[in-house]
Amino acid sequence: DTAVSQTPKYLVTQMGNDKSIKCEQNLGHDTMYWYKQDSKKFLKIMFSYNNKELIINETVPNRFSPKSPDKAHLNLHINSLELGDSAVYFCASSHAPGEQYFGPGTRLTVT
Amino acid sequence: AQSVSQHNHHVILSEAASLELGCNYSYGGTVNLFWYVQYPGQHLQLLLKYFSGDPLVKGIKGFEAEFIKSKFSFNLRKPSVQWSDTAEYFCAVTSSGGYQKVTFGIGTKLQVIP
Repeated sequence: DTAVSQTPKYLVTQMGNDKSIKCEQNLGHDTMYWYKQDSKKFLKIMFSYNNKELIINETVPNRFSPKSPDKAHLNLHINSLELGDSAVYFCASSHAPGEQYFGPGTRLTVT
Repeated sequence: AQSVSQHNHHVILSEAASLELGCNYSYGGTVNLFWYVQYPGQHLQLLLKYFSGDPLVKGIKGFEAEFIKSKFSFNLRKPSVQWSDTAEYFCAVTSSGGYQKVTFGIGTKLQVIP
């Protein structure tokens, strides 16, 4: 059973398009996250939700909008994609501070 | 604000060599500390964690880390590395309690040569 799953695994799109990435966890965790990993492997938190409520919102362009329909799902919608948005996006969930379970990642390429 | 420094960005070792990766953090309060590993093309996985108690913690695959509070350090060690340990290693810190964000270090790329 996959603990944290993301779809799609790869996403190639053109500048200006709008796209969504979905994340689901079956671990029963209350807290979920979105991270961005750039080409140099630097991992930066973008958002965190606890029980469907936004608790961490880092300095991220407002083109990025997370949505949590329930505590098992945290989706990421990106408007007007730019070249600099190309990265690997990881979803994660946790039940204890810092102890994160990561999804497989979505490699987004904007052309 | 908390921060994490990993001083070794790229480490190359031969198989059976000993490994120590440095990690220092800055935060004034009580912290939880972690090491994560990312194998090529895969997602991050928890290697080991420190919340409290014995400052020497043991993780999976023979890894261990020692929390030295006076030095704000949490170095990762393994006595004898294998080729399969080739991966990116990330140190991370979060403050204890509440919904605190996790701050990751920049990562150390470990390359083990057979």
